[in-house]
Amino acid sequence: EAQVTQNPRYLITVTGKKLTVTCSQNMNHEYMSWYRQDPGLGLRQIYYSMNVEVTDKGDVPEGYKVSRKEKRNFPLILESPSPNQTSLYFCASSFRDGNQPQHFGDGTRLSIL
Amino acid sequence: SQQGEEDPQALSIQEGENATMNCSYKTSINNLQWYRQNSGRGLVHLILIRSNEREKHSGRLRVTLDTSKKSSSLLITASRAADTASYFCVIPSGGSYIPTFGRGTSLIVHP
Repeated sequence: EAQVTQNPRYLITVTGKKLTVTCSQNMNHEYMSWYRQDPGLGLRQIYYSMNVEVTDKGDVPEGYKVSRKEKRNFPLILESPSPNQTSLYFCASSFRDGNQPQHFGDGTRLSIL
Repeated sequence: SQQGEEDPQALSIQEGENATMNCSYKTSINNLQWYRQNSGRGLVHLILIRSNEREKHSGRLRVTLDTSKKSSSLLITASRAADTASYFCVIPSGGSYIPTFGRGTSLIVHP
């Protein structure tokens, strides 16, 4: 079954404690991306990757890092989380780029205290 | 990057009725997409319509695109309670690879 898998689904943590949200896709997609969703603001893209070792900033990259060492994985790293990063996060992938249909993961609800 | 603006922000209807939501945008596009999001879940792609298409169907969904008015509409016919969700239009970003999501239309279908 075609899937984008994110882990964890829920996380409550404290300010400054480094965390990683993993994302994996099994569709051999070139393009992967991370979004955050906040009430009233819709989905905003954090980072995207066109292929292995190729990543670029989205609209709201501050405070986040990503890596793309393998085609299937695209982890999101918060080196020093802060409360304003409390949000619902989605990973997505598509065959070629962000302007093609994307498959989304089920989301990670992150709370930074 | 430009953003699609959905209208209305919220829509409440009875099962069996049709639901229509609209999306307007500002600059030229080569395609437009619609997604659905059930509460707190990931988005699901519904339809992609290209700029040279005027109408597209998928099951009970009908999407139109009017490039002269820079607007698109999503029609759900014979709605069901399971159609309760938020619906987003997505505008491509031209030269960059950052698709822009609107704020969505929240649809509630009462059984």
